[in-house]
Order: sequence, then structure tokens, then C-alpha cells
Amino acid sequence: ETGVTQTPRHLVMGMTNKKSLKCEQHLGHNAMYWYKQSAKKPLELMFVYNFKEQTENNSVPSRFSPECPNSSHLFLHLHTLQPEDSALYLCASSQIYPNGDTEAFFGQGTRLTVV
Amino acid sequence: GQQVMQIPQYQHVQEGEDFTTYCNSSTTLSNIQWYKQRPGGHPVFLIQLVKSGEVKKQKRLTFQFGEAKKNSSLHITATQTTDVGTYFCAGPGLGTYKYIFGTGTRLKVLA
Repeated sequence: ETGVTQTPRHLVMGMTNKKSLKCEQHLGHNAMYWYKQSAKKPLELMFVYNFKEQTENNSVPSRFSPECPNSSHLFLHLHTLQPEDSALYLCASSQIYPNGDTEAFFGQGTRLTVV
Repeated sequence: GQQVMQIPQYQHVQEGEDFTTYCNSSTTLSNIQWYKQRPGGHPVFLIQLVKSGEVKKQKRLTFQFGEAKKNSSLHITATQTTDVGTYFCAGPGLGTYKYIFGTGTRLKVLA
């Protein structure tokens, strides 16, 4: 159904592990996003990439490291996370038009649990 | 910083009753979007409003953008169990593609 695919769907990791979340969009969009969704903050923007360039880092801790090798792929590298980082991580893409119009398409999300 | 708040946070209604969620931004918005997230699902785009005072309808859903372009509402007439989910509004922040999502309203419909 969705043109944005995220893997894995579920991830359990220890605080000393290193893991990566992957996102791929098949919609030809020029912008990609990472959002964190938790009970405390429903949809919190983490990173924005426009034409592969990071244009936004919403004061995210350095233990989260994004990578956007091309306009279709987005990664979120995780290392030394804390239990409070457990959340649903959503990737989204959109086509940004010159007038600023855009509509976000979300992936299914990765449910992350840090133990 | 810019904030987008929604009320109520939760709403339980009997099937057939109406439902309204309100969205308020701390700053004027160039446009506002609405999304729906079903339980266990991901947000799905519903609609975008651009003009001051604009009203759009999608079947039983009515969306309105305030005259001052700082608030918006979503009204559902005669709710059905398929309307269950969390409804988010979103408005652009400093950059036109940096959308700030509202706190969401979780709707439960009792059959």
C-alpha cells in the first residue's frame, strides 16, 4: 500500500549495540524525514533531507546518526541508545514544490525497544 | 519555538455521534494538513487547507481553516467504527517543508 518501506519493522537492542534503520521511497520524492513517535511526544521531527542534503537536525542527540546516500534511501544509525529512546521511528518522504506545497507519505515504522 | 496543540487529547463517542477536534498554532500558518493514524498503523494524509476561512469536505469529514490561519478543525458527522484512530494536524514551521505536527486527538468509537 505505501510507497515508503521501512526495515526492520521491529527491533530490540541493548544499550551497547549498534544498529541501523533503513527507509526506501519509491515515489520519486525529493525530501525524506525521520520522525520519532512516543507516548510523550506524538510525532517529533528528527531530521530532514532535501535533495540528499540535511537541512534540519532538530536537536537530536548524537547517538542518532542519519545518512542519506541518495534521494531514495535514508538510514538512521543507532549506537549506545538509552531505554527512553524506545519508540516508533517513522520515515516519511514528500515532493516539495516551489510554492512550498508538500504532502508527507509515511512508512510503516520501526518499533524500537532498547533494553 | 512554534507549537501546534490539539484538543481534546482523547474522545470517546457512541457510534452515530458527531466528533470534532481542534488545532491551534502559536504562529500563523501558510497552510495546514490533516493526517489520520489507525491503531498500529502509520499517519496517512487526509487533506491540505491553504486559504483563510477555507472549508473542505470529504464525505462525512469537514475541515476548516480559521480566518487568521492559526487554527483549524476537523468535524466528523455520524461517526462509524472505521473512524477510530488518532487525528493529527500539521503546519509548516520556519522552512516550508518542516511540518510541525499537533499533539493529536485519539478517537474511540463505541458500537
